Amino acid sequence: AQSVTQLDSHVSVSEGTPVLLRCNYSSSYSPSLFWYVQHPNKGLQLLLKYTSAATLVKGINGFEAEFKKSETSFHLTKPSAHMSDAAEYFCVVSAPGAAVNKLTFGGGTRVLVKP
Amino acid sequence: GAGVSQSPSNKVTEKGKDVELRCDPISGHTALYWYRQSLGQGLEFLIYFQGNSAPDKSGLPSDRFSAERTGGSVSTLTIQRTQQEDSAVYLCASSLLVEQFFGPGTRLTVL
Repeated sequence: AQSVTQLDSHVSVSEGTPVLLRCNYSSSYSPSLFWYVQHPNKGLQLLLKYTSAATLVKGINGFEAEFKKSETSFHLTKPSAHMSDAAEYFCVVSAPGAAVNKLTFGGGTRVLVKP
Repeated sequence: GAGVSQSPSNKVTEKGKDVELRCDPISGHTALYWYRQSLGQGLEFLIYFQGNSAPDKSGLPSDRFSAERTGGSVSTLTIQRTQQEDSAVYLCASSLLVEQFFGPGTRLTVL
């Protein structure tokens, strides 16, 4: 079984300040972890992924995330928020070692960027 | 190349009618998934196809929901006797390895 908890349903930041989106997971298998972004009325876009290589993962648009096994966390960060970062973000776990590589989504964090 | 496409982009139907939602995966992707995104339930897995194997239907919420994948490519999700709680965005994804690529979704509204 696997699950994902995104600790904040909403995050509000000012443009140019850091962004932190928190995610904790549980998985019976060695997990793969992803962050997806969804802009209003758009599809899901992959930001970055962790698949058991380097624990610090760099993604698109300046985002990065660090896999911490001891804390079962995969928090997403960006040093300086941009207005275009306003969207909903999903932390996702999959278990490739399981019979079915289905994704389990966190509840999402909606990010508001203030000018 | 082309990404995952879904049709229609929007569908409005009356309670009790049947609907069909279509997904065209990325060419060559062997795995295809359906998910549902609704206000009350977030994003949830519905069904998974891998090659010619029997699909994993463990996420389908009721026997009114079914899906087919013809020729290992296009998939159709069918909802019979739609109910208002079926209103949601239905997302399709395909993959070759670990990463799943999502289509834009079909927004279903049941009146």
